[in-house]
Amino acid sequence: AQSVTQLGSHVSVSEGALVLLRCNYSSSVPPYLFWYVQYPNQGLQLLLKYTSAATLVKGINGFEAEFKKSETSFHLTKPSAHMSDAAEYFCAVRADSNYQLIWGAGTKLIIKP
Amino acid sequence: DGGITQSPKYLFRKEGQNVTLSCEQNLNHDAMYWYRQDPGQGLRLIYYSQIVNDFQKGDIAEGYSVSREKKESFPLTVTSAQKNPTAFYLCASLDLGRIGYTFGSGTRLTVV
Repeated sequence: AQSVTQLGSHVSVSEGALVLLRCNYSSSVPPYLFWYVQYPNQGLQLLLKYTSAATLVKGINGFEAEFKKSETSFHLTKPSAHMSDAAEYFCAVRADSNYQLIWGAGTKLIIKP
Repeated sequence: DGGITQSPKYLFRKEGQNVTLSCEQNLNHDAMYWYRQDPGQGLRLIYYSQIVNDFQKGDIAEGYSVSREKKESFPLTVTSAQKNPTAFYLCASLDLGRIGYTFGSGTRLTVV
């Protein structure tokens, strides 16, 4: 069965510092992988997605993620954190059967001034 | 602009009452999904539909019901059988020929 694990329910970084949010997946087939961001009491916005093209995927708001098959990872990074990046981030893999998304538990990103 | 509209944004339910959450999309997407979100957990699938007049149970369908009479609409009813309905509910749609999902802005349901 496919699954997603996000390491760290909360990650705290200083403004201007590197952001690294970790995501590991399990899948028996080449996966489609996603990162979404959620601001309080709002829906989810797609940051970026991996669809078996380039392994380094660039998204919105300066975020990028690298697909590493050998490590079954799809970590999200941003070189320099901004206060507006404070939100909850979800990693997801698309199921093979019904196209639903299988979600990690989420990581809340806290930005310290 | 195309998108998904969920209403209401906030909903209060009394014990033993059924309530219906609305989800409408004008993206011409084939598939629609209902997810439930609880604090500290990822989203869990309640129901999904890939075609009009057909829908399938997700992982936590008990206490919920849906209909898909029109391509644009996928309402979710939270019945009195759902013992712990307080949560944030998200509707999503997908063009099956593509890979990207679009989400609504959610409905927060609270039992009073």
